[in-house]
Amino acid sequence: QQQVKQSPQSLIVQKGGISIINCAYENTAFDYFPWYQQFPGKGPALLIAIRPDVSEKKEGRFTISFNKSAKQFSLHIMDSQPGDSATYFCAASVTGNQFYFGTGTSLTVIP
Amino acid sequence: DAGVTQSPTHLIKTRGQQVTLRCSPISGHKSVSWYQQVLGQGPQFIFQYYEKEERGRGNFPDRFSARQFPNYSSELNVNALLLGDSALYLCASSFGPQETQYFGPGTRLLVL
Repeated sequence: QQQVKQSPQSLIVQKGGISIINCAYENTAFDYFPWYQQFPGKGPALLIAIRPDVSEKKEGRFTISFNKSAKQFSLHIMDSQPGDSATYFCAASVTGNQFYFGTGTSLTVIP
Repeated sequence: DAGVTQSPTHLIKTRGQQVTLRCSPISGHKSVSWYQQVLGQGPQFIFQYYEKEERGRGNFPDRFSARQFPNYSSELNVNALLLGDSALYLCASSFGPQETQYFGPGTRLLVL
């Protein structure tokens, strides 16, 4: 079964808008939650990651919000740009063990 | 510094054949993981190696095997190819098994 559920499958946002992608998990042993960005023909690139001891982490225009009690985490992209158009994957792992990836969200930012 | 490199970039095989994919980790990284990414899906974990020892294996059949060499490079072998093995195969390296993983560009395998 899918260990990490990601939504929406696709997202269209106007330039300058906020893109929000959500993920949910069941395994409470997960302790590392990264987000990856993937462009066509490329491998995933790490964007930002969080551990469950904090509720939010911000790096530039990218913010992860983490809700441990709801077992949910989300990626917020502020001031979205056309160059942000890519597929985004959330993932979760127990440190030192395999990563479980979501099914991906295709983001299109319209100029 | 060079990132994770994989070869070949593309590969076409027929059903029943065998394939070997190669991965060179980032210099200094000792852990390599392999993932299969089917079109439109997230990567699925196949193997993790650290210091030449297998540390983890995903839910893949025994047709899939891998190894890590003394220089920390790695090979993924798939025997008796099936049409469903067509996918992007990703290699990720990290300094250790608990560290951040960095992905290579992948090898796109097409099985006809």
